[in-house]
Amino acid sequence: AQTVTQSQPEMSVQEAETVTLSCTYDTSESDYYLFWYKQPPSRQMILVIRQEAYKQQNATENRFSVNFQKAAKSFSLKISDSQLGDAAMYFCAFEGQGAQKLVFGQGTRLTINP
Amino acid sequence: DAGVIQSPRHEVTEMGQEVTLRCKPISGHDYLFWYRQTMMRGLELLIYFNNNVPIDDSGMPEDRFSAKMPNASFSTLKIQPSEPRDSAVYFCASSLHRGLLHEQFFGPGTRLTVL
Repeated sequence: AQTVTQSQPEMSVQEAETVTLSCTYDTSESDYYLFWYKQPPSRQMILVIRQEAYKQQNATENRFSVNFQKAAKSFSLKISDSQLGDAAMYFCAFEGQGAQKLVFGQGTRLTINP
Repeated sequence: DAGVIQSPRHEVTEMGQEVTLRCKPISGHDYLFWYRQTMMRGLELLIYFNNNVPIDDSGMPEDRFSAKMPNASFSTLKIQPSEPRDSAVYFCASSLHRGLLHEQFFGPGTRLTVL
């Protein structure tokens, strides 16, 4: 069974600085999808960024980018120019090819210091 | 687009009572998922449907839990009888698996408290 591990229960960063959230996963599959979801205090789950395992190029969405290391089974999220609105729980998630279901990590609570 | 709709947003009930959570997926989506979120266990998939048919219910904790999807626009998750350990936030999500597009859209969740 696939597992997703987020080793940082909490992180904090100064506003306008850059922060990196870690995620590792375990799978024997070669094709899969990886996601980062954001859950603000409203508890709404919001997709931040998505990476297809067959793509070598790291995904980028505005201030959010990932460092996908397939051999190391690592999928970290970098947030540049952190803003107060980035404060939330961040969840890393894995979806196997053909599985259509997400396996989530335990989450990292990100605090932005003004 | 209204997004995934869940009701109620909050539910407080007493142990032993029946609880029914409701979900309306995004129109046109062919997959529907029920998740449970707790501090201890994080986000867990309970069950998911494809074209209204249950595909994987291995995450359903026990027989007290049941889920149905009578049509493409409605699903229920029922707990009977409810127990205090069922207290959690329950999320419904839907997705459209078209080609390489994979994104689950989540509803706002139902916070369930069983006293």
